[in-house]
Amino acid sequence: AAGVIQSPRHLIKEKRETATLKCYPIPRHDTVYWYQQGPGQDPQFLISFYEKMQSDKGSIPDRFSAQQFSDYHSELNMSSLELGDSALYFCASSSRSIGRNTEAFFGQGTRLTVV
Amino acid sequence: GNSVTQMEGPVTLSEEAFLTINCTYTATGYPSLFWYVQYPGEGLQLLLKATKADDKGSNKGFEATYRKETTSFHLEKGSVQVSDSAVYFCALGFSGNRDDKIIFGKGTRLHILP
Repeated sequence: AAGVIQSPRHLIKEKRETATLKCYPIPRHDTVYWYQQGPGQDPQFLISFYEKMQSDKGSIPDRFSAQQFSDYHSELNMSSLELGDSALYFCASSSRSIGRNTEAFFGQGTRLTVV
Repeated sequence: GNSVTQMEGPVTLSEEAFLTINCTYTATGYPSLFWYVQYPGEGLQLLLKATKADDKGSNKGFEATYRKETTSFHLEKGSVQVSDSAVYFCALGFSGNRDDKIIFGKGTRLHILP
């Protein structure tokens, strides 16, 4: 079965550079979530989209932006990278909402290292 | 606000031991509850879920029961294996569009010794 695809799997950037992370949800899933997981930390919610519109916003820095495109894939753009941005970034997708009959399926994550 | 609290790790057990990882939650409304597992170097996988009070989620020998009266969703397994070594996250989520993100606990690292 198709899963959530994230690219790239690994990314190394220098401070002050820009990075773009991509997420391809499971087919027919209309909701995408982005999470950031620092070393030894729990995943922290960044932002979510439903039907190409931002639906919720968490602890996402102003230097980051994201969008969901017409084919439902999503991109997380990160500018002016800082060392503290080094983390594992997860994307998850679900059908309409997480709740009683659905759950979020996670991608393998993109490991971003800022040097 | 909504939150999840789970027991701190690491938890170290011998193979075939009984496992309990405690999880309690605070929520307005009636969330669904989840346990996710993260194996070394991998992403998050849904282990089990329960969508209403008294539901029991089960998978791969793991079980958890949604206890509304104690706002708990403790994870249990009768006999753990070395391959169960991973980080386990308790989580909650809501249906509907207003607040549909998953909220995670801080994770509990489990080490199983052969």
